[in-house]
Amino acid sequence: DGGITQSPKYLFRKEGQNVTLSCEQNLNHDAMYWYRQDPGQGLRLIYYSQIVNDFQKGDIAEGYSVSREKKESFPLTVTSAQKNPTAFYLCASSLQMNYGYTFGSGTRLTVV
Amino acid sequence: GENVEQHPSTLSVQEGDSAVIKCTYSDSASNYFPWYKQELGKRPQLIIDIRSNVGEKKDQRIAVTLNKTAKHFSLHITETQPEDSAVYFCAARMDTGRRALTFGSGTRLQVQP
Repeated sequence: DGGITQSPKYLFRKEGQNVTLSCEQNLNHDAMYWYRQDPGQGLRLIYYSQIVNDFQKGDIAEGYSVSREKKESFPLTVTSAQKNPTAFYLCASSLQMNYGYTFGSGTRLTVV
Repeated sequence: GENVEQHPSTLSVQEGDSAVIKCTYSDSASNYFPWYKQELGKRPQLIIDIRSNVGEKKDQRIAVTLNKTAKHFSLHITETQPEDSAVYFCAARMDTGRRALTFGSGTRLQVQP
């Protein structure tokens, strides 16, 4: 849907567990991004990747990890070190860093 | 790093009226300013963008203006319709260093029929 797919749509995690959110794009975009969306706080950057095998921390990287082994895929792992992981997570991609974004449909993570 | 402030957080207008949302940014190196619309339960969609070599851009009922000296930019929606009701986000990006978008906190626009 729109060339960038996030799964699952809803995810429930027990405290102390790591979970991985999937993001796949078939747009042949070089750059990919992860944002976290909380009510009233807009979108905050977690990690971004300009190119395969390279990624950079954003503003709120603590408790998260990523990998970029393939151009099409940019999975996000929410580790047990993330103290308040309940949020809506959005993945995005762009042709290159100086182009506009295409967003995925998001994953809503809830800690139970 | 860049910081983007967005006002107001909520905006209610009557159908047919105009709506204006304002954003300020902190880093004078920013040169790309997009606006996204997010309807309830959906992904953000790019509606208009402007680069720093342009002062104004218009697309039908939507326009964006940029004042580089004051470091602010605004979204203008004319002849609002109920389907314009959504959350709108502004963003800014530098051309060097960290070139990922920094977003404002969002404006919830409600168009009353």
